Amino acid sequence: EPEVTQTPSHQVTQMGQEVILRCVPISNHLYFYWYRQILGQKVEFLVSFYNNEISEKSEIFDDQFSVERPDGSNFTLKIRSTKLEDSAMYFCATTGAIRNTGELFFGEGSRLTVL
Amino acid sequence: GESVGLHLPTLSVQEGDNSIINCAYSNSASDYFIWYKQESGKGPQFIIDIRSNMDKRQGQRVTVLLNKTVKHLSLQIAATQPGDSAVYFCAEIPRFGNEKLTFGTGTRLTIIP
Repeated sequence: EPEVTQTPSHQVTQMGQEVILRCVPISNHLYFYWYRQILGQKVEFLVSFYNNEISEKSEIFDDQFSVERPDGSNFTLKIRSTKLEDSAMYFCATTGAIRNTGELFFGEGSRLTVL
Repeated sequence: GESVGLHLPTLSVQEGDNSIINCAYSNSASDYFIWYKQESGKGPQFIIDIRSNMDKRQGQRVTVLLNKTVKHLSLQIAATQPGDSAVYFCAEIPRFGNEKLTFGTGTRLTIIP
């Protein structure tokens, strides 16, 4: 069964450092998302990406965050200068559906720990 | 504003019994409501969705009920199995054409053998 794969599974970084989280979407999917989940809390939307541009972003997704699909396969989330409060599980999700009915395929997540 | 919340943070059910997980929402303009399951250490997994113009939808061992009058959503799982133990989130798409899912806080379902 096709799946969304994410790397790294866990990254520990110092505050102020840049991190890049990577996602390989399901091959025929065109809509990509990043969500995050702070430990013990609910899953929060960060950004959606379609046709090589951001289609929607949340208040969390400030200037420190960026997304891109540099080589047509990997979908990346970059945090330019990490803060302690960026510590969370980051999930990539994708869908091939033209209309968003809420059925997203999530990866297993990348745990980011900022020290 | 948008909010989706759950009535109970934890629920324990005997294996083989039916379970009902409840969710309240506040945005009457939401287009779709969705249930996700999250097992420990994994990403959320889609279970079932229901459009706002429906009040019931059935899947394999699961049924979602939508009561728009009281803004209530429930997930019924029939004949629960150990593999059903997980955190269950309700989520909504706030309006037509919106890209984001708004998730609730989750209910941890534990199946007792």
